[in-house]
Amino acid sequence: DIQMTQSPSTLSASVGDRVTITCRASQSISTWLAWFQQKPGKAPKLLIYKVSSLQAGISSRFSGSGSRTDFNLTISSLQPDDFATYYCQQYNNYPWTFGQGTKVDFK
Amino acid sequence: QVTLRESGPALVKPTETLTLTCTVSGFSLTGSEMCVSWIRQSPGKAPEWLARIDWDDEKHYSKSLETRLTISKDTSRNQVVLTMVNMDPADTATYYCARSHFGSGTGAPDYWGQGILVSVTS
Repeated sequence: DIQMTQSPSTLSASVGDRVTITCRASQSISTWLAWFQQKPGKAPKLLIYKVSSLQAGISSRFSGSGSRTDFNLTISSLQPDDFATYYCQQYNNYPWTFGQGTKVDFK
Repeated sequence: QVTLRESGPALVKPTETLTLTCTVSGFSLTGSEMCVSWIRQSPGKAPEWLARIDWDDEKHYSKSLETRLTISKDTSRNQVVLTMVNMDPADTATYYCARSHFGSGTGAPDYWGQGILVSVTS
């Protein structure tokens, strides 16, 4: 199985901060990498697919980058609604696998 | 409008078989390159992908769970069914179904159901 490792596990930030979350795959996953946002009691919400494509209806303050094994999710200016847990997911190989999550909380 | 809704028991006993149904609307289960996955999430943990069924009835399973899982679809009812045998307390989780659309779509799970919490306890 491809292991997805996110860092950091927790990120403390303030409104207006630029934040970056990193995801590393244990082997190359080409461009089949997605990012999700999850709030308590809710299903994950797709933000970014194919590394850098913004899902319809998602704010442009979210952006993705990277290739092969190293990927980033950047929030350009953190808003109150962005405090949540973020997961990366690879869908290049079966089984599809998720990172362990990064919780963005208030500093 | 694309929607998915999970249904099934909230409680099962150890060793029992779990059957979950995902009822979809707003898209066709036989639509080109359309897929539905089951994904679960134990409390406080990351999501775990379990299985996927494709528009052409091809199926894919988690390697660690494939001996316990069966995924199928009933296109006349717009439903995808997941069965998991020999349930264990470690299988307690919220179970989600989610759509993926390859080709002109995102490929990633873009629409999710609200999830169903299944507790395994005697």
